[in-house]
Amino acid sequence: KQEVTQIPAALSVPEGENLVLNCSFTDSAIYNLQWFRQDPGKGLTSLLLIQSSQREQTSGRLNASLDKSSGRSTLYIAASQPGDSATYLCAVTTSGSRLTFGEGTQLTVNP
Amino acid sequence: DTEVTQTPKHLVMGMTNKKSLKCEQHMGHRAMYWYKQKAKKPPELMFVYSYEKLSINESVPSRFSPECPNSSLLNLHLHALQPEDSALYLCASSPRALGETQYFGPGTRLLVL
Repeated sequence: KQEVTQIPAALSVPEGENLVLNCSFTDSAIYNLQWFRQDPGKGLTSLLLIQSSQREQTSGRLNASLDKSSGRSTLYIAASQPGDSATYLCAVTTSGSRLTFGEGTQLTVNP
Repeated sequence: DTEVTQTPKHLVMGMTNKKSLKCEQHMGHRAMYWYKQKAKKPPELMFVYSYEKLSINESVPSRFSPECPNSSLLNLHLHALQPEDSALYLCASSPRALGETQYFGPGTRLLVL
């Protein structure tokens, strides 16, 4: 059974810092990996999708990498802003289109 | 139109009530999903519809009954729920079922009394 782990569970940084969120998964037989953002009480917003054949994806200040063989992904956020405060979820797609989520990293960016 | 809409936003129901959650998308997606999310936990997959046919049921109790009347609409019918069913219910869609970005709606927050 696929298991997804995210470290750290919570992170608090001052505005302007660059930061890295980590995600690991136990079964490397994935179709893709997605990073989502969730604001309190809201739905999920897809940030980046990395297909299993890709190594990284970039969108604005966000960069996500994927090392499928070692079962790891990182989400790099450059020049963090208070508006980046949210919970960040990593999820992998395995057989049958199942998305398996990690527990999330709760990020707080302090002004 | 690039969004998934869900109604209602909030729902309070008693254990003997029957209610329905509705999800709609007009992106031409052919796969739609229901997830359940408890507080401070990640979403858990409940059902997947692919081309209007139920393809995955993650052993969900029969008091939850999904329905996909057409390719744009997904319903979740609720009957005789328990207080532990209180959660945020999220709908998502993707172009096809496998290996593509899932787009999530804002969710329906359900409270069962």
